[in-house]
Amino acid sequence: SQQGEEDPQALSIQEGENATMNCSYKTSINNLQWYRQNSGRGLVHLILIRSNEREKHSGRLRVTLDTSKKSSSLLITASRAADTASYFCATERSGGSNYKLTFGKGTLLTVNP
Amino acid sequence: NAGVTQTPKFQVLKTGQSMTLQCAQDMNHEYMSWYRQDPGMGLRLIHYSVGAGITDQGEVPNGYNVSRSTTEDFPLRLLSAAPSQTSVYFCASGRDQETQYFGPGTRLLVL
Repeated sequence: SQQGEEDPQALSIQEGENATMNCSYKTSINNLQWYRQNSGRGLVHLILIRSNEREKHSGRLRVTLDTSKKSSSLLITASRAADTASYFCATERSGGSNYKLTFGKGTLLTVNP
Repeated sequence: NAGVTQTPKFQVLKTGQSMTLQCAQDMNHEYMSWYRQDPGMGLRLIHYSVGAGITDQGEVPNGYNVSRSTTEDFPLRLLSAAPSQTSVYFCASGRDQETQYFGPGTRLLVL
């Protein structure tokens, strides 16, 4: 079963607007990561947030993590048409084998020029 | 650096045929993994390796074999292809499992 679930499944916004997508997960984690996938391409790592962190920034990206709610959000500010892609969260569970990442089903973001 | 390379880019197989999907990386990464991506399912981990000679199963290992004889290469073998294995396959590598670099993918169609 999927550990992470992104919400919404699809999001369409205008260039310049902010985009927010959410990820919920089921078990305790060591860290949570966000990846981007352009159509027909491999995934690109965007940002990693550890379980003891609450917020991280990278350029126009802001990620928050609420371990009490088992949820994370990815905010892309001042979106551009080039941000059009699918965005996936991936979690590394705590305990047991620490070498596996579990991906969600993704959010398809469309940024209209 | 070429990063993570995968061959072939596209393959058509008949049910029952076997084949090997190749994956290579030139970043001296210890961690390598194979995922399959199906519509509406996200990525699912097939097998992974934490170093040469060490492999382990992921979420969906049945029907696939792997080996890791060198740091650079991590081939994925389909023993007897089935239509259910029609998918896009991604190989990834990293210094550890935290940040992974993905290859461009192999599209596999099993008839």
